[in-house]
Amino acid sequence: EIVLTQSPGTLSLSPGERVTLSCRASQSVNSRHLAWYQQKFGQAPRLVMSGAFSRATGVPDRFSGSGSGTDFTLTISRLEPEDSAVYYCQQYGIPPYTFGLGTRVEIK
Amino acid sequence: EIQLVESGGDLVQPGRSLRLSCAASGVMFSSYAMSWVRQAPGKGPEWVSSISESGHVTYYADSVTGRFTISRDNSKDKLYLQINNLRADDTAIYYCSTLIGSSWGPGTVVAVSS
Repeated sequence: EIVLTQSPGTLSLSPGERVTLSCRASQSVNSRHLAWYQQKFGQAPRLVMSGAFSRATGVPDRFSGSGSGTDFTLTISRLEPEDSAVYYCQQYGIPPYTFGLGTRVEIK
Repeated sequence: EIQLVESGGDLVQPGRSLRLSCAASGVMFSSYAMSWVRQAPGKGPEWVSSISESGHVTYYADSVTGRFTISRDNSKDKLYLQINNLRADDTAIYYCSTLIGSSWGPGTVVAVSS
């Protein structure tokens, strides 16, 4: 099983700041099979990034993804209040298709 | 874009069974590999199972292998999850989603308690 470790656990930042979220895999993941999700309280997860680099429909261009192999990053270039959520990475290349435990992004 | 709606969740006693359904609409359901993902209270999402577009290939999390069965009926645009021998730790919101996760349903609640 591929274990995805996300860091940090929680981030508290001000609007306009740059946010960098990390997802580290216990073994190499094909970047085509790495996704990032945003989840707000009481809602289903929402796809933010698929294939590590491709923004999902309707996702603002302040979100970007990068990485390869075992290290992946989701970056929010300028944090907006509506970006407050928990962010999860998931690999869907090798079953079981594991999720990370998430990073909570809070707005100061 | 595909729209998904789950149903079938309930409050059940340990050891009982449930069948969850997911109705799809909007686009050709048979073009999508599908997944079930669950989320226990206060926890992150946990992938449960996936099924190929045709239904011929299925995968399961170790925690549910032998008790859960995923299936689909492309003629009815429906996805199913048969859950047997329910345990307290199966308590969660169960979501159906496309494999890549571009579409999710609102979820259905399964609560297991005596």
